[in-house]
Amino acid sequence: KAGVTQTPRYLIKTRGQQVTLSCSPISGHRSVSWYQQTPGQGLQFLFEYFSETQRNKGNFPGRFSGRQFSNSRSEMNVSTLELGDSALYLCASSSLGASSYNEQFFGPGTRLTVL
Amino acid sequence: KNEVEQSPQNLTAQEGEFITINCSYSVGISALHWLQQHPGGGIVSLFMLSSGKKKHGRLIATINIQEKHSSLHITASHPRDSAVYICAVVSYNTDKLIFGTGTRLQVFP
Repeated sequence: KAGVTQTPRYLIKTRGQQVTLSCSPISGHRSVSWYQQTPGQGLQFLFEYFSETQRNKGNFPGRFSGRQFSNSRSEMNVSTLELGDSALYLCASSSLGASSYNEQFFGPGTRLTVL
Repeated sequence: KNEVEQSPQNLTAQEGEFITINCSYSVGISALHWLQQHPGGGIVSLFMLSSGKKKHGRLIATINIQEKHSSLHITASHPRDSAVYICAVVSYNTDKLIFGTGTRLQVFP
């Protein structure tokens, strides 16, 4: 089985722009979670989707949004980018709902740099 | 104070040594994960546990719910074990994952 894929792997944007990141889960996995990792804050939970519904959301401003499609692929969008949004964005999939309680399979991440 | 604390922050070992990484948390939890992150960012899930002890190869994870503490042990460490090890707890109240800041392990031959 192919692993979790994320595109693009690297991205450079300027302040004020918006960005869309994509995550394709392992075939058959219906839960996708997104995480932000920065040197200062470490790993932080962004949101989780299961069967096209947002199941849980972390403490991030409304500029961060996401969605999941019927094929379980997920996208996250960040609008009005700020310098502090520079981070590694990771997604993870799991085969069951409530991914917090199940083994998660992580993608390689998208490294976003905001200039 | 962070809700999930790991110690030590950095750890250096010689190949073959027994290694222990500790995780303490202050919130009520439903489960706890141990993750491994290699240089370049890739993360692998090592264990998920809610009680007792789990073993996989040279890795052992234990949790004491009453003491709000978990340990990850690596027996007969090897240079390929060099990575950042991250503890994450599932908050009982919110169902969200809360991460520790990680322990950077370097194992030298």
